[in-house]
Amino acid sequence: GAGVSQSPSNKVTEKGKDVELRCDPISGHTALYWYRQSLGQGLEFLIYFQGNSAPDKSGLPSDRFSAERTGGSVSTLTIQRTQQEDSAVYLCASSLSWGLGNTIYFGEGSWLTVV
Amino acid sequence: GQQVMQIPQYQHVQEGEDFTTYCNSSTTLSNIQWYKQRPGGHPVFLIQLVKSGEVKKQKRLTFQFGEAKKNSSLHITATQTTDVGTYFCAGPGGSGGGNKLTFGTGTQLKVEL
Repeated sequence: GAGVSQSPSNKVTEKGKDVELRCDPISGHTALYWYRQSLGQGLEFLIYFQGNSAPDKSGLPSDRFSAERTGGSVSTLTIQRTQQEDSAVYLCASSLSWGLGNTIYFGEGSWLTVV
Repeated sequence: GQQVMQIPQYQHVQEGEDFTTYCNSSTTLSNIQWYKQRPGGHPVFLIQLVKSGEVKKQKRLTFQFGEAKKNSSLHITATQTTDVGTYFCAGPGGSGGGNKLTFGTGTQLKVEL
C-alpha cells in the first residue's frame, strides 16, 4: 500500500479482555516495528521484526503482550487480559530494510482505551 | 540502557521567534534522526544526520549533529503556526543491531499569533 495501515483506528475494551491490533506495512518493506505512546509521552519501543530473523522482543512490557508477522508482511500485536495502564496509542512502522539509517514510516496508530 | 533526553520539554513562542530543541544521548550514536508529530498525528520523518559535526538545512529548519555524536539540535528560524507539534530525535539503540530506534523524550512546540 501507499502507507502503513493500522486497524482498528480506535478500540475501547473492558479490562481483562484480549485485543488484537493489525498492521499492514508499506509494500516491499522488510522491517516492521511496534511502538507505544501514552498520552503526552514519548515513543516506547515494543518489538521489531527484521526480515526472516527472529524478532527483537526486548521492549515488550509483560508476557501479556505478543506479536507475530505472517508471510513477512502483515503483523498483529496481541494484548491479553488488558489492564488500564495498557491504554495508549500503538504505532506500527516499517522501513525498506533493517539496516542502520533506513527511514521509518509510521502508521496513524491504533488508539486503545481500556475501561 | 541507552537514554535519549531532550530539552526543553515544552516551548511556547510568538510567531516569528526562533526555536531550538536539544537532544542528548547517553551513548555515542552512529546516526540520529528527527521526527515531527503534529497534535493527534503520527511521527513523520524529517531528516537523518550521520557524520560528526554535520549540519543540514531544510528551509527554516537547521539540524546539527555534535562532534562527539552524542548530541544534536534542531533550530527553527522565524517560527510559523504550521511548526506546531512535538519534535523527537531518535537514535539506534539497544542490543541486536539493526534500525531499532530509541526516541528522545520530545519537545512540544506551541506557536502563538
